[in-house]
Amino acid sequence: QQQVKQSPQSLIVQKGGISIINCAYENTAFDYFPWYQQFPGKGPALLIAIRPDVSEKKEGRFTISFNKSAKQFSLHIMDSQPGDSATYFCAATPSGNTPLVFGKGTRLSVIA
Amino acid sequence: EAGVAQSPRYKIIEKRQSVAFWCNPISGHATLYWYQQILGQGPKLLIQFQNNGVVDDSQLPKDRFSAERLKGVDSTLKIQPAKLEDSAVYLCASSLFKSWGLYNEQFFGPGTRLTVL
Repeated sequence: QQQVKQSPQSLIVQKGGISIINCAYENTAFDYFPWYQQFPGKGPALLIAIRPDVSEKKEGRFTISFNKSAKQFSLHIMDSQPGDSATYFCAATPSGNTPLVFGKGTRLSVIA
Repeated sequence: EAGVAQSPRYKIIEKRQSVAFWCNPISGHATLYWYQQILGQGPKLLIQFQNNGVVDDSQLPKDRFSAERLKGVDSTLKIQPAKLEDSAVYLCASSLFKSWGLYNEQFFGPGTRLTVL
């Protein structure tokens, strides 16, 4: 049973545009929601993360929006650049020291 | 600071053969995870260690997979015998345990890409 649903599967965005990736979860015990970025041949790397006690978190060009009542969260990449081309995974975990449950990933391509 | 090290980076074996992967976590990280990432999917947990003890192995196919973390540092993951569906990238991650109430960021290694023919 997939506990974190991610969409879209792939995304093509023009340079300078906004990339938006959405995730939904079912388990109300989840308490931490990170986004990971993965380049080919590399392991995932933490990009930004949020707790459900806030509705938005921004770090540079990356913003997470969180809707606790809808059990949804999304990643917005502003001013998308070709270097942002990678696979993005949303994830969730119930507590600070438990395994992550990942979405299936979104392959982002930013074209000039 | 050195990251999580994994070896080998690539491995090709025939089905029914055995294979082992090695992981060296970031120094001082008490928690170690092994994830399986099948092509086109997100990583899925196989096993979690806290120091040298197993915390969660509920998703580990124990009839063919085994893992150990002797002395609470390095870890090895073994598959015996391998099946075609075991073709995947095996990722090791580690985190610095602070407390059960705080989030402890997981740092991932580059993974081992296994191909079973």
